[in-house]
Amino acid sequence: DTGVSQDPRHKITKRGQNVTFRCDPISEHNRLYWYRQTLGQGPEFLTYFQNEAQLEKSRLLSDRFSAERPKGSFSTLEIQRTEQGDSAMYLCASSLVGAGAYYGYTFGSGTRLTVV
Amino acid sequence: AQKITQTQPGMFVQEKEAVTLDCTYDTSDPSYGLFWYKQPSSGEMIFLIYQGSYDQQNATEGRYSLNFQKARKSANLVISASQLGDSAMYFCAMRSLSGGSNYKLTFGKGTLLTVNP
Repeated sequence: DTGVSQDPRHKITKRGQNVTFRCDPISEHNRLYWYRQTLGQGPEFLTYFQNEAQLEKSRLLSDRFSAERPKGSFSTLEIQRTEQGDSAMYLCASSLVGAGAYYGYTFGSGTRLTVV
Repeated sequence: AQKITQTQPGMFVQEKEAVTLDCTYDTSDPSYGLFWYKQPSSGEMIFLIYQGSYDQQNATEGRYSLNFQKARKSANLVISASQLGDSAMYFCAMRSLSGGSNYKLTFGKGTLLTVNP
């Protein structure tokens, strides 16, 4: 168990470009979450998967955002036609359904996106 | 809807002293969990401590304790014997344990703790 891995750690992109982030959850965890954290704020929920099914999407997730979790393993978050307002830390987390609430989530180190 | 309020943008503490980070919450859920996370400059959210709304005793984890006052809807984090490595952002969060939104964590804005030598 190596924890939740996110790649890349940092991404600088020009406005209008597409970017894709990857998250590898803890292998036995069946739930995977994406959060976004802007400067000076706490993380905000974007979406989550149970196995390969995407069960909830926040209103924060515009049509330019798409997330997938093929085969219920790793997940990708793609942002199309990036805007400066997309600059943020994108955090991935995973959890095991049925585990006590005590265990909460395990977060990755995040991908910091800068749109210039 | 759930809301977390952390009123201290920044706190300073001397090494080896104790510090309390404030957190108040608002929810209509009958059952909920409260969490504290630490976020160092590396960005990772590190779980520190959990308190269930139904727990009779305050949670403790090593140097961390949670002062839970349900009637006042507060869940303050107490760090005893502060260390230089405790310097980080600290976030209070909550999650419903009932209903359809029990997967989602709601976070406060955080408190930046600086431990001085």
